[in-house]
Amino acid sequence: AQKVTQAQTEISVVEKEDVTLDCVYETRDTTYYLFWYKQPPSGELVFLIRRNSFDEQNEISGRYSWNFQKSTSSFNFTITASQVVDSAVYFCALNLNSNSGYALNFGKGTSLLVTP
Amino acid sequence: GAVVSQHPSRVICKSGTSVKIECRSLDFQATTMFWYRQFPKQSLMLMATSNEGSKATYEQGVEKDKFLINHASLTLSTLTVTSAHPEDSSFYICSARVTGAPQETQYFGPGTRLLVL
Repeated sequence: AQKVTQAQTEISVVEKEDVTLDCVYETRDTTYYLFWYKQPPSGELVFLIRRNSFDEQNEISGRYSWNFQKSTSSFNFTITASQVVDSAVYFCALNLNSNSGYALNFGKGTSLLVTP
Repeated sequence: GAVVSQHPSRVICKSGTSVKIECRSLDFQATTMFWYRQFPKQSLMLMATSNEGSKATYEQGVEKDKFLINHASLTLSTLTVTSAHPEDSSFYICSARVTGAPQETQYFGPGTRLLVL
């Protein structure tokens, strides 16, 4: 079975703090892709990153960074120096296998609130 | 970049009516599109996989006779909620896979908020 777990339901931080959103996944596939999306109150999904299972290099994009650890099946997301505009729900997702046409299996999401 | 549109963005209807939601890939062809549903404060759940020219594949628990999917062209998939009831009120999001591109290449539409009174 394929599963994505985001254990943190809600996180509240004060602006400029660093925050890490956890994501743990389960899959039997050897080739798979992991994603992070941001969903602001408007509802539209904002793509943040896609990582394939063969690339374990960590990635940094501005204030965002991702730590992919196959050994622990985790793909954590860190926001450095958080800002109020970072307030949103963040989803980690795993692409399903070919039987489902490679749709995405989403975690339950982590609601991040950044206060001034 | 690749753009996926959805129409309408918001719809309010009376119980018992049918509502059609369109998902269009504006600048690429999409043999495969996906329909997701998101209830308030919950995650996105895959409803069905829509393949151009063939019947959609529905996830377990999703009524195919209630959620009719038509994917008649490479750029358009429609989801029709038949005889809508208040419990069908939700946020419906589609995504489209780029035909011929790696399987991880897919783009999401902006979503459609359905409120059934």
